[in-house]
Amino acid sequence: EPEVTQTPSHQVTQMGQEVILRCVPISNHLYFYWYRQILGQKVEFLVSFYNNEISEKSEIFDDQFSVERPDGSNFTLKIRSTKLEDSAMYFCASSERQDTLYEQYFGPGTRLTVT
Amino acid sequence: GDSVTQMEGPVTLSEEAFLTINCTYTATGYPSLFWYVQYPGEGLQLLLKATKADDKGSNKGFEATYRKETTSFHLEKGSVQVSDSAVYFCALRRGTGRRALTFGSGTRLQVQP
Repeated sequence: EPEVTQTPSHQVTQMGQEVILRCVPISNHLYFYWYRQILGQKVEFLVSFYNNEISEKSEIFDDQFSVERPDGSNFTLKIRSTKLEDSAMYFCASSERQDTLYEQYFGPGTRLTVT
Repeated sequence: GDSVTQMEGPVTLSEEAFLTINCTYTATGYPSLFWYVQYPGEGLQLLLKATKADDKGSNKGFEATYRKETTSFHLEKGSVQVSDSAVYFCALRRGTGRRALTFGSGTRLQVQP
């Protein structure tokens, strides 16, 4: 069964460093998403992406964050200058279409630890 | 704004016990409601969903009914198994406007043999 994959599974970085989290969505999917979950808190939406553009973003997704689909398979989340509060589990998801009838498939997550 | 509230965990049950995990929501309009499950080391998987009031979603013995009057979507299973041990997330998604999922905080279920 097709699945969303994410790398790395765990990333440790120092405050102020740039990190790139990588995701490979399911191949025929057109909509891509990033969510995050700070330990002990809710899973929160960050951004959605379609047709090489951000289609929706939350208030969390400020200028420190960016997303890109650099080729036909990868979808990346970049954090330019990490802060301690960016430590969280980051989930990538993809869906065939945006309609609620179409399920969002999630990857296993990348645990980001900022020290 | 939209929000989902679910019961605190962990919930610890013996095998074959009845399970209820409560979920209530606040949203404008008529959202679709979802339960996701996360097994250790894996991503979030859709367990079941309901797209309108009084709909019942069901899968793998789990059920939840969309109750508009009480703004609830409680998850139930008549007889849990050890393999059901996981974290369960209630979520909603609007039919129009913002399409992102809004999640609850998750409830960890531990089923003991």
